[in-house]
Amino acid sequence: EVQLVESGGGLVQPGGSLRLSCAASGFSFSTYWMHWVRQGAGKGLVWVSRVNGDGSRPIYADSVVGRFTISRDNAKNTLYLEMSSLRAEDTAVYYCARGDGGIYGLDVWGQGTTVTVSS
Amino acid sequence: DIQMTQSPSSLSASVGDRVTITCRASQGIRNDLGWYQQKPGKAPKRLIYAASSLQSGVPSRFSGSGSGTEFTLTISSLQPEDFATYSCLQYNSYPWTFGQGTKVEIK
Repeated sequence: EVQLVESGGGLVQPGGSLRLSCAASGFSFSTYWMHWVRQGAGKGLVWVSRVNGDGSRPIYADSVVGRFTISRDNAKNTLYLEMSSLRAEDTAVYYCARGDGGIYGLDVWGQGTTVTVSS
Repeated sequence: DIQMTQSPSSLSASVGDRVTITCRASQGIRNDLGWYQQKPGKAPKRLIYAASSLQSGVPSRFSGSGSGTEFTLTISSLQPEDFATYSCLQYNSYPWTFGQGTKVEIK
């Protein structure tokens, strides 16, 4: 069964840092581009970042450039999102999602992990 | 950035009704669009990709159409399990962008 399981969310103070993880199973992880998407409470989905199969070409939404870093460890079948200089507006549920062959959007999603930025 | 304008933001409908949701892109995106269903507290689930291709396992009452800048998701006969929020996603160019969502509620 194809599965994505996020972890690492929690409460962090403004200006703080947090690292999210997404453990993948049931598919050939290294051959898929992977994404992070977030959703504030009662709000719409927002695409955050994407990394290609070997991790060499990350791309970010303008709102997180310079603060978030996406990476992956293909030996561990794990995707990461390193978040720093966190702001209240980063508070959201963060989902990892699999890119469908790079041409058909996002086909598989994790259950999400909640990040709360508050003092 | 490509803006996706989704309408309506919410609707009330009865079981058995035909429901149509629209997404308009601020510029042409060919057919690089997907539709997602999300229930409270759950992750989004893909229904449609490439504007009109039905995801495996999704009931045939769901259909998508459109190309370029205007797209529709149609539920031919609304079922109790279809009450949820629906969102479109354009993946033509980065940053990928979602519509703001349509909440389908019970009338």
